[in-house]
Amino acid sequence: DTAVSQTPKYLVTQMGNDKSIKCEQNLGHDTMYWYKQDSKKFLKIMFSYNNKELIINETVPNRFSPKSPDKAHLNLHINSLELGDSAVYFCASSQDRGLAGETGELFFGEGSRLTVL
Amino acid sequence: AQKITQTQPGMFVQEKEAVTLDCTYDTSDQSYGLFWYKQPSSGEMIFLIYQGSYDEQNATEGRYSLNFQKARKSANLVISASQLGDSAMYFCAMRGEFKRGGADGLTFGKGTHLIIQP
Repeated sequence: DTAVSQTPKYLVTQMGNDKSIKCEQNLGHDTMYWYKQDSKKFLKIMFSYNNKELIINETVPNRFSPKSPDKAHLNLHINSLELGDSAVYFCASSQDRGLAGETGELFFGEGSRLTVL
Repeated sequence: AQKITQTQPGMFVQEKEAVTLDCTYDTSDQSYGLFWYKQPSSGEMIFLIYQGSYDEQNATEGRYSLNFQKARKSANLVISASQLGDSAMYFCAMRGEFKRGGADGLTFGKGTHLIIQP
């Protein structure tokens, strides 16, 4: 059973199109994230949700809109795609209540490689 | 805010040698956690090892150990007896203090590309 699954794994699309990436986790975690990994492999947080509530919204164009229908799902919709949006987008989840034994480790999905032509 | 610095963009190491990947961090939090992840060419992010700021012993997981020097704010990863399959990108990351309702995630360094040569 995949702990964090995201679809699709690959997306190739034209500039100006709209696309979505879906993410689901079956770990019972309270928190989910979207990270972007650019061509230089740098990983940067975009958004985080805790129990469906938006917590972190980094400086990301408002063409990117996350949506969390429940705490096991976090989707990312991107409008009017641009060349610079080409990257690998990782969904992740963690348990961040600070209880004994919790480390805050991120559990990652396999990534979704977006190529904008 | 947390900051992670990895100063080795790339490393070449002979198979079976030990490898040390450098990581320094900066934070004003008293409680924090340090992580290492491996990303092979297939792209997935694999958790390797964790060290809590209050842990007195250095963390170990099989061939991986974390050389934690709190005063120097360093958290180097040591891989003993390297294997060809260790070739990958390695990321050092940290979290700050847990906050109520918080979801700050991890801050990552820029990574080190490790290549193991036969």
